[in-house]
Amino acid sequence: SQQGEEDPQALSIQEGENATMNCSYKTSINNLQWYRQNSGRGLVHLILIRSNEREKHSGRLRVTLDTSKKSSSLLITASRAADTASYFCATDAGAGTYKYIFGTGTRLKVLA
Amino acid sequence: EAGVTQFPSHSVIEKGQTVTLRCDPISGHDNLYWYRRVMGKEIKFLLHFVKESKQDESGMPNNRFLAERTGGTYSTLKVQPAELEDSGVYFCASQFSGYNEQFFGPGTRLTVL
Repeated sequence: SQQGEEDPQALSIQEGENATMNCSYKTSINNLQWYRQNSGRGLVHLILIRSNEREKHSGRLRVTLDTSKKSSSLLITASRAADTASYFCATDAGAGTYKYIFGTGTRLKVLA
Repeated sequence: EAGVTQFPSHSVIEKGQTVTLRCDPISGHDNLYWYRRVMGKEIKFLLHFVKESKQDESGMPNNRFLAERTGGTYSTLKVQPAELEDSGVYFCASQFSGYNEQFFGPGTRLTVL
């Protein structure tokens, strides 16, 4: 079965630095999404990138998608303490189904 | 507009007891999903409702789990009897038909002792 894997599992950086997280998946997809989870809270949708897109920006977020390598990266620029959270990529399971396949997540800690 | 809500936020029960989790989706969202995250592992799909019908329940771990969505509005997920390995965070998500984004609730943290 398809499984997303995030890399690294944990990341600790200083405020103002950039944070890069990677995600790999195993089967073909229609789109890939990134979510954030703050401690004790639900998943917040950050950005969606479609399989025919290579790069997408939203504020301080930059997402890339390489379907040939079945991988995606999330870059957070000029990080803030409030960015401290777990970040997950989620892929759809292909045509005919709406369920998401999530990775194990990257725990990001931004030190003030 | 209210988002997806889940109740309770945290439940602590003994092994063998029954627990019922509730999810209220965003009004007008026909699609409702349950997911679960067991400690340290990935978030896994449990099942998908379209209105009151179960569209896909391939992720339900076993017959101790029963999900319902009466009238196509809120949904409940009952675990009976609960086992230690059922501990984790249970997320609910809803989605408007034809759109990609699923909106997630805050989750219910279930602890089985």
